[in-house]
Amino acid sequence: DAGITQSPRHKVTETGTPVTLRCHQTENHRYMYWYRQDPGHGLRLIHYSYGVKDTDKGEVSDGYSVSRSKTEDFLLTLESATSSQTSVYFCASSRAGEENIQYFGAGTRLSVL
Amino acid sequence: GENVEQHPSTLSVQEGDSAVIKCTYSDSASNYFPWYKQELGKRPQLIIDIRSNVGEKKDQRIAVTLNKTAKHFSLHITETQPEDSAVYFCAAKAGGTSYGKLTFGQGTILTVHP
Repeated sequence: DAGITQSPRHKVTETGTPVTLRCHQTENHRYMYWYRQDPGHGLRLIHYSYGVKDTDKGEVSDGYSVSRSKTEDFLLTLESATSSQTSVYFCASSRAGEENIQYFGAGTRLSVL
Repeated sequence: GENVEQHPSTLSVQEGDSAVIKCTYSDSASNYFPWYKQELGKRPQLIIDIRSNVGEKKDQRIAVTLNKTAKHFSLHITETQPEDSAVYFCAAKAGGTSYGKLTFGQGTILTVHP
């Protein structure tokens, strides 16, 4: 596996609280992505980054924000968590020149009660 | 935007049989089609991919075929083994986009019975 780690691996939180998930990669990959995985929906792109401080929205970005201050770190923030954001979140990264080939982290299971 | 439909949602086969999973896409400009395998509780991992200028690609027991005219592509697994049991996802990258933006299908749960 590429050197990509997610933290925390599991989190339970309450509706209305802010939550930040962290993705850290040691591969010097230029591109990073956040997905959510829900039954019957596959993997859906939330936000992605094409460089430090360069980010853009994916198909399900409402209620989420991201930041990338360093090449190796990509943060996903739920400003005010809702029960509909209960999901498994995966981070992925890819290198310049091979941006199509994405390597995934182990995932974060988030439960919003 | 791109839309990817994947079928079937579940597939059960006997060990040694072949398995076929099919995906259709909507954007005729899509140019890259990967397949990911996700074992239970694990991360998705790329197992094979194909580009739009190629009709078929093989890697040992797995192969992918692409029909650009019909806008569909398929994963073929021959001589299935119990360790092939997993969720398989197809994906497509729309043409004209960069940064590896992929649209995934809904996934197929493959079960291989010994």
